[in-house]
Amino acid sequence: NAGVTQTPKFQVLKTGQSMTLQCAQDMNHNSMYWYRQDPGMGLRLIYYSASEGTTDKGEVPNGYNVSRLNKREFSLRLESAAPSQTSVYFCASSGGGGRPGSRQFFGPGTRLTVL
Amino acid sequence: DQQVKQNSPSLSVQEGRISILNCDYTNSMFDYFLWYKKYPAEGPTFLISISSIKDKNEDGRFTVFLNKSAKHLSLHIVPSQPGDSAVYFCAASTGGNEKLTFGTGTRLTIIP
Repeated sequence: NAGVTQTPKFQVLKTGQSMTLQCAQDMNHNSMYWYRQDPGMGLRLIYYSASEGTTDKGEVPNGYNVSRLNKREFSLRLESAAPSQTSVYFCASSGGGGRPGSRQFFGPGTRLTVL
Repeated sequence: DQQVKQNSPSLSVQEGRISILNCDYTNSMFDYFLWYKKYPAEGPTFLISISSIKDKNEDGRFTVFLNKSAKHLSLHIVPSQPGDSAVYFCAASTGGNEKLTFGTGTRLTIIP
């Protein structure tokens, strides 16, 4: 099992460019999440998907869109990148069926720099 | 509004001693708490959790204590080992919900 995979690992964008971060999990989990990690801010939830076909905003959704392509894949799109979106992005999944405290499994992250 | 707070950005502990990492929360609806460990250039990995109906949970060298009245939890690592050097995140969730709210993290350094 690969667990949660993310591509790319690194990306440099210019302000205004667009890109899509890809995430896939092979654990048959229903729920998937996108976080960003910034110094001194911890992990902040951008969007999540409780099941295939559903998505909901998290704490910091502005400037992002998501697609739950199927049960395995959850992508994050930046339509017009801004320097404030420079961050490390983590995808995660969980399979607790809505049970509180279900552990989330994280991918290795994508380090994005917007110039 | 930071609902989960880790007020110590960093902590250094001698190898073999006890490491104590602290976490405070403000939302009384939180009923499940988790600790994650993160090494550089890797994603966080689950370490240990505790339900609000308990006040202690132990797993090997790791013990989490929950004080609901104080809205405070702590992670104890005994004995501390060099491989424990990492950033530790506290996280919390509310009933019927798998979403987690994370703290800002504490960087633990174990000194050989």
